[in-house]
Amino acid sequence: AAGVIQSPRHLIKEKRETATLKCYPIPRHDTVYWYQQGPGQDPQFLISFYEKMQSDKGSIPDRFSAQQFSDYHSELNMSSLELGDSALYFCASSRPRTSGAETQYFGPGTRLLVL
Amino acid sequence: AQTVTQSQPEMSVQEAETVTLSCTYDTSESDYYLFWYKQPPSRQMILVIRQEAYKQQNATENRFSVNFQKAAKSFSLKISDSQLGDAAMYFCAYRGGGSEKLVFGKGTKLTVNP
Repeated sequence: AAGVIQSPRHLIKEKRETATLKCYPIPRHDTVYWYQQGPGQDPQFLISFYEKMQSDKGSIPDRFSAQQFSDYHSELNMSSLELGDSALYFCASSRPRTSGAETQYFGPGTRLLVL
Repeated sequence: AQTVTQSQPEMSVQEAETVTLSCTYDTSESDYYLFWYKQPPSRQMILVIRQEAYKQQNATENRFSVNFQKAAKSFSLKISDSQLGDAAMYFCAYRGGGSEKLVFGKGTKLTVNP
C-alpha cells in the first residue's frame, strides 16, 4: 500500500539558511499534518492543512511557514535556521472526514541537521 | 490542555512473553481517540492500534490489545507473544474529537530479550 512520502530524507544546513521540506500524502487523503521530534523527545504538532486551508496550529515558530497545494502535497518552509531546529520532521496524512479521518499515518520523516 | 502520561520510561520482556505498557491521559472532552504508535530504531512512526472513546469494546490487532478504562482515563497496551521485532519506543497519543493534533506521551522504550 502507498505510504506518505517525504523529501528529502536527510538535510544539512548552516545557521541562518532556509530549508524546504516536502510531503506527499497517501492517495485520496486530504489532510496533512507536520510534527517536529527533537532528539529523545516525543513528536510535537506544528500545523495541519485540510483542503488547502490551515486547519490547526501548534507550536510552530514564526520563522516557519507551510502550505498545502491543489494536489494535496504540502511544503514546510523554514527560514533563519537555528541550531535548535535540528530534529526529525514528520508529515502525516489522514482520510477524508467522511471516513476514518481521525487516524494519522506518518511518513518516514526528514532529518534536518543545522550546523 | 490535554496531557498524556507514560509512567514507564523503559520496559523489558522475554521473547514469547507478555508485556503491558501503561498510559494515562487527562481530558475534559467526551469525544476523543487514543492511539499507540511504535517507533523502531529507524524512527518511522508506525500505527499499532487505535481506540474510539465511544466504543466500550477494547481494540485488538493480532498480538496487540488495549485495556481502555474510560472512567480512569487509562489506556494500556498489551503485547502478547513478544517478538524481537517488537523492540521499539512506544508512544501513546490522544486526539480530541474537535482537534487536528495528536498529543503524545513521552514514550516507553521496550526491549525484547531473546
